Amino acid sequence: NAGVTQTPKFQVLKTGQSMTLQCAQDMNHNSMYWYRQDPGMGLRLIYYSASEGTTDKGEVPNGYNVSRLNKREFSLRLESAAPSQTSVYFCASSESIQETQYFGPGTRLLVL
Amino acid sequence: AQSVTQPDIHITVSEGASLELRCNYSYGATPYLFWYVQSPGQGLQLLLKYFSGDTLVQGIKGFEAEFKRSQSSFNLRKPSVHWSDAAEYFCAGMDTGRRALTFGSGTRLQVQP
Repeated sequence: NAGVTQTPKFQVLKTGQSMTLQCAQDMNHNSMYWYRQDPGMGLRLIYYSASEGTTDKGEVPNGYNVSRLNKREFSLRLESAAPSQTSVYFCASSESIQETQYFGPGTRLLVL
Repeated sequence: AQSVTQPDIHITVSEGASLELRCNYSYGATPYLFWYVQSPGQGLQLLLKYFSGDTLVQGIKGFEAEFKRSQSSFNLRKPSVHWSDAAEYFCAGMDTGRRALTFGSGTRLQVQP
């Protein structure tokens, strides 16, 4: 079991470029999440998917879009990257919305 | 607003000493509460969780936490710290009616030899 995997591990973008962060889980979980982590602010929820076919905004959704491709995969897209989106991004999954979340290793993104 | 607060940004303890990391929550009803640990450059690992029942919760790596409704607290404890415990610790909460975790800002633990 790999758990939750994320690609890439590290990415540098220029302002205005787009990219997609990939996340996959092999635990047959129904719910998946994207967080960003910034110094001194803990983790903040960007978007989540309670179940396959549904997505909802979290605390900080502006500038991002998501796709729940299937039960295993949940991607996060930055259409036009901004320096304020420099952060570490974590994907997580859980059996259901109110169950324990399991986290991936993170993607470190730098926007110049 | 529902929130989780970790008052201590940074704590240093000696190896072998006891540890207590503070967490306070603000929720209307009894929330689900979690402690996660993050080692440098790594993702978050669940240490323990409280949903209901016994207010003293045992977790992995010798950690425990006590839910105290009267103090709105869920402090993490360990009787004897090991050098490998050096990491950042996050408390998180979830209102039973909501759909997302709210994280505290984290406490960085440094362990001195």
